[in-house]
Amino acid sequence: DAGVIQSPRHEVTEMGQEVTLRCKPISGHNSLFWYRQTMMRGLELLIYFNNNVPIDDSGMPEDRFSAKMPNASFSTLKIQPSEPRDSAVYFCASSGLAGASEQFFGPGTRLTVL
Amino acid sequence: QQQVKQSPQSLIVQKGGISIINCAYENTAFDYFPWYQQFPGKGPALLIAIRPDVSEKKEGRFTISFNKSAKQFSLHIMDSQPGDSATYFCAAGNNDMRFGAGTRLTVKP
Repeated sequence: DAGVIQSPRHEVTEMGQEVTLRCKPISGHNSLFWYRQTMMRGLELLIYFNNNVPIDDSGMPEDRFSAKMPNASFSTLKIQPSEPRDSAVYFCASSGLAGASEQFFGPGTRLTVL
Repeated sequence: QQQVKQSPQSLIVQKGGISIINCAYENTAFDYFPWYQQFPGKGPALLIAIRPDVSEKKEGRFTISFNKSAKQFSLHIMDSQPGDSATYFCAAGNNDMRFGAGTRLTVKP
């Protein structure tokens, strides 16, 4: 199994531009999580989906952030417009069991907003 | 609003020593307590996890001790090795996890 796949691995953009991060969860997993990691705030849960339905988006920082999961094998996290304070590593993770269980993390996308 | 508090922020241990990292949580409804290990440039990976029906779980050199009444749990790394040098995160939750701030462990040869 290829594990959780994220793209791009690195993204450099200018303030005000739209940024789209992509995630392919492990096949058969029915929960998907988006995290943001920074030195100051650590690892923060942004949103998670169960069976493609958003369950909790209380961690999404503001309306500039949106996430979708159109099918079981694909999710996107969009930032529009981007700001320098959005610079961070964004991780996608998936899990396959009902309830709390191991989450498998992708390699992350390092986003730099200039 | 921080639901999981982790300490220390950083830890330096000599090779062969014991590394101990502590976490405290607030929500008594949490039923899953994992520890993740993260190397630079990589995503976190599950190291070991425990559920609240047991007080201790051991896997090789890694042990979780869990105190339900105190709402605390800890990771012990026995015979620490330089290859254990990484950042360790505790987490707690149900379907979704809340992560601690992380502990940067350095094991000196």
